[in-house]
Amino acid sequence: AQTVTQSQPEMSVQEAETVTLSCTYDTSESDYYLFWYKQPPSRQMILVIRQEAYKQQNATENRFSVNFQKAAKSFSLKISDSQLGDAAMYFCAYRSAETSGSRLTFGEGTQLTVNP
Amino acid sequence: EPEVTQTPSHQVTQMGQEVILRCVPISNHLYFYWYRQILGQKVEFLVSFYNNEISEKSEIFDDQFSVERPDGSNFTLKIRSTKLEDSAMYFCASSEPITLEKLFFGSGTQLSVL
Repeated sequence: AQTVTQSQPEMSVQEAETVTLSCTYDTSESDYYLFWYKQPPSRQMILVIRQEAYKQQNATENRFSVNFQKAAKSFSLKISDSQLGDAAMYFCAYRSAETSGSRLTFGEGTQLTVNP
Repeated sequence: EPEVTQTPSHQVTQMGQEVILRCVPISNHLYFYWYRQILGQKVEFLVSFYNNEISEKSEIFDDQFSVERPDGSNFTLKIRSTKLEDSAMYFCASSEPITLEKLFFGSGTQLSVL
């Protein structure tokens, strides 16, 4: 079974600075997707960014980018120019691409605080 | 932008009562899911549903849970006899039809069992 680990329960960053959230995963599959979801206090799950494992190029979405290291099974999220609205719980998630409609497996989450 | 809709946003029930949580997935999506999140914990998979039947379920999804797509738009999660430990946020999600890779989540139903 796949597992996802986020070793940083809490992180903080100054507004306008850059922060990196860590995620590692374990799988025996070669084809899969990785995601970062943001969960603000409203508790809605908002997709931030996704990465296909077969793509070597790291995904970027505006101020959000990932560092995907497939051999190391590492998938970190970098938030540049942090804004107060970025404060939230961030979940890393794994999904198999080898089975249609497979489940998402989530990490424990990292609570990000943005200080003004 | 289309979205997954869940009702109610909050539900309070007595232990032992049955509850039905409702979801309207995005209209052209094919796979539907229920996840739950106990306060302060990670989001956990419960069940996936495709072509009017369960395609995968977790060990959490025992006989007290059931899912149904009673018509062309609604997707429901029923808990037959609620327990205190069922108190959680329940999220419905659906997958886009082409790549199936991206899940869209509803805003959740907070279930409180007293």
